[in-house]
Amino acid sequence: EVQLLESGGGLVQPGGSLRLSCAASGFTFSSYAMSWVRQAPGKELEWVSVISGGGGTIYYAGSAKGRFTISRDNSKNTLYLQMDSLRAEDTAVYYCAKGLTGTTDFDYWGQGTLVTVSS
Amino acid sequence: DIVMTQTPLSSPVTLGQPASISCRSSQSLVHSDGNTYLSWLQQRPGQPPRLLIYKISNRFSGVPDRFSGSGAGTDFTLKISRVEAEDVGVYYCMQGTQFPRTFGQGTKVEIK
Repeated sequence: EVQLLESGGGLVQPGGSLRLSCAASGFTFSSYAMSWVRQAPGKELEWVSVISGGGGTIYYAGSAKGRFTISRDNSKNTLYLQMDSLRAEDTAVYYCAKGLTGTTDFDYWGQGTLVTVSS
Repeated sequence: DIVMTQTPLSSPVTLGQPASISCRSSQSLVHSDGNTYLSWLQQRPGQPPRLLIYKISNRFSGVPDRFSGSGAGTDFTLKISRVEAEDVGVYYCMQGTQFPRTFGQGTKVEIK
């Protein structure tokens, strides 16, 4: 059974940093692209970033470029999102999502971790 | 960025009746590899999103056959043939053809 478990969310002041983790199990982690998608309270979904299975290909949304860094440790089956220079508008539930083979879609999602940026 | 526009934003439906959601993209979603990466996700209250349909019309594993997707180019539709109580939630379309990936605003399906 595929399981994705995010952690690392919490309350942080504007300008601060946070590192999110997503522990994966139930599939061969290194074979799949992984993404971060966020959802501000009461709002729609917003894609943040994607990393290929081997980690060599990475893309970011404009809102994340230059402030967020996606990475993965395939030996630990874990995906990361380092978030720096956080702003109030980064407040959201952050989901990790697994890529579906042969497509660019997301077939499994974690339960999410809440990040609140506030003074 | 490709803008995804869903209509309606809210859809009150009687149990057992059909529902239909439209999604329009600001540009063609046909990828250079010939595929069209348009998917539909369901988000039940308090839950993470769940993949229903990928590449326009392919049902994901475990998705009931009352859900179907259709369309081409820039116009796509999700249909629920007979709405059940467990179908209540918000439905999103998503394009995976171009970066950044973008989602529609969501359509809330509720029971009348």
